[in-house]
Amino acid sequence: QVQLVQSGAEVKKPGSSVKVSCKASGGPLNSYGISWVRQAPGQGLEWVGGILPVFDRINYAQKLQGRVTITAAEPTSTVYMEMSSLTSEDTAVYYCVEDSSGFYKAWGQGTPVTVSS
Amino acid sequence: EIVMTQSPDTLSVSPGERATLSCRASRSVSTNLAWYQQKPGQAPRVLIYGASTRATGIPARFSGSGSGTDFTLTISSLQSEDFAIYYCQQYNNRPGYTFGQGTKLEIK
Repeated sequence: QVQLVQSGAEVKKPGSSVKVSCKASGGPLNSYGISWVRQAPGQGLEWVGGILPVFDRINYAQKLQGRVTITAAEPTSTVYMEMSSLTSEDTAVYYCVEDSSGFYKAWGQGTPVTVSS
Repeated sequence: EIVMTQSPDTLSVSPGERATLSCRASRSVSTNLAWYQQKPGQAPRVLIYGASTRATGIPARFSGSGSGTDFTLTISSLQSEDFAIYYCQQYNNRPGYTFGQGTKLEIK
């Protein structure tokens, strides 16, 4: 069973960047995929992007393409999600999820990101 | 992009009664459909995958059905801990799986 532990809450200024980490345990990182899902306050769930290390494949939501970068550091079993040019619309809780089968069996605890001047 | 539409937005049901939640896809997703439950301040957890398979540890009162474009989540006898928001998600085509907007299940 994969367990995911995320970095802590962030407060950022508009136009800046944020980098959130997700440390996985329960198996080597190249044996499963990790995606990022976000949830704006009072809203639903939105897929941000994902990485499948075994296939060396990374995909991003079209609306976020160019602003999001997902990377993986296999020695530390950590996946990072970096988002640039932040606006208030990026204020959300960001979750990393285990994404090997399409549905999400394991979720991180969530990282609140607040974008405010 | 496949659009997932859930109905109703809010469902009011008394404890002990049955709840039926619906999810419709804009085009066929076969049985690549999952249901999640989310309680306030918590991450979602998967209840059902493959349209009808209960995830590990999920009580038998939760059941899923459907294929193609129309899906249903049924909770046979509502317990107090079942009042939450429920989301469906299609995972038929990588990348970019999509979620429904959610159904809030509240106590009547």
